[in-house]
Amino acid sequence: GDSVTQMEGPVTLSEEAFLTINCTYTATGYPSLFWYVQYPGEGLQLLLKATKADDKGSNKGFEATYRKETTSFHLEKGSVQVSDSAVYFCALSADYKLSFGAGTTVTVRA
Amino acid sequence: NAGVTQTPKFRVLKTGQSMTLLCAQDMNHEYMYWYRQDPGMGLRLIHYSVGEGTTAKGEVPDGYNVSRLKKQNFLLGLESAAPSQTSVYFCASSLLGGTGGGKLFFGSGTQLSVL
Repeated sequence: GDSVTQMEGPVTLSEEAFLTINCTYTATGYPSLFWYVQYPGEGLQLLLKATKADDKGSNKGFEATYRKETTSFHLEKGSVQVSDSAVYFCALSADYKLSFGAGTTVTVRA
Repeated sequence: NAGVTQTPKFRVLKTGQSMTLLCAQDMNHEYMYWYRQDPGMGLRLIHYSVGEGTTAKGEVPDGYNVSRLKKQNFLLGLESAAPSQTSVYFCASSLLGGTGGGKLFFGSGTQLSVL
């Protein structure tokens, strides 16, 4: 079935470092792709999305491009802050529901 | 703005006990979902509903039942709790389904421990 695989964590960075979290997907059709973020003690919230090939989703300095040729949707941020410490989930849509990756824990140190 | 509200926030059960988790949304969303979150496994879909009076199984439905008698509420039941059901449970809702936009609104979660 449709699924996503994202890089395992945890990832620890210093403030202002570059962040990349890899995500690849397997799908029979043309899914929409998403990144969700979960801050400590909270539920998930949508960070960005892309609905078709070559689309770039962006929000809060984060970006991800829907690459059909490599079936990827890697998340990037050029300069992270302590407030970006969270768990990041890649997800794809299938039928009426989303399938999530295992999540990547990111810790940013001052 | 209440959004998606889950009750209770924490619960401890003994093996074999039953309980119901309540999810309520005030956004008039058609779609509602129950996920469980376990370390290293991300979120796994338990059951979902595409409208009032309808429910469907997700990836890991065994040991759980659900009901959607009212559009705004989605109940998750455990008839006979087992230690393997120790997890964090999240409810979510969306106006459109996964292929229609995919923006889910999540509750803050229920931490359930089964001893």
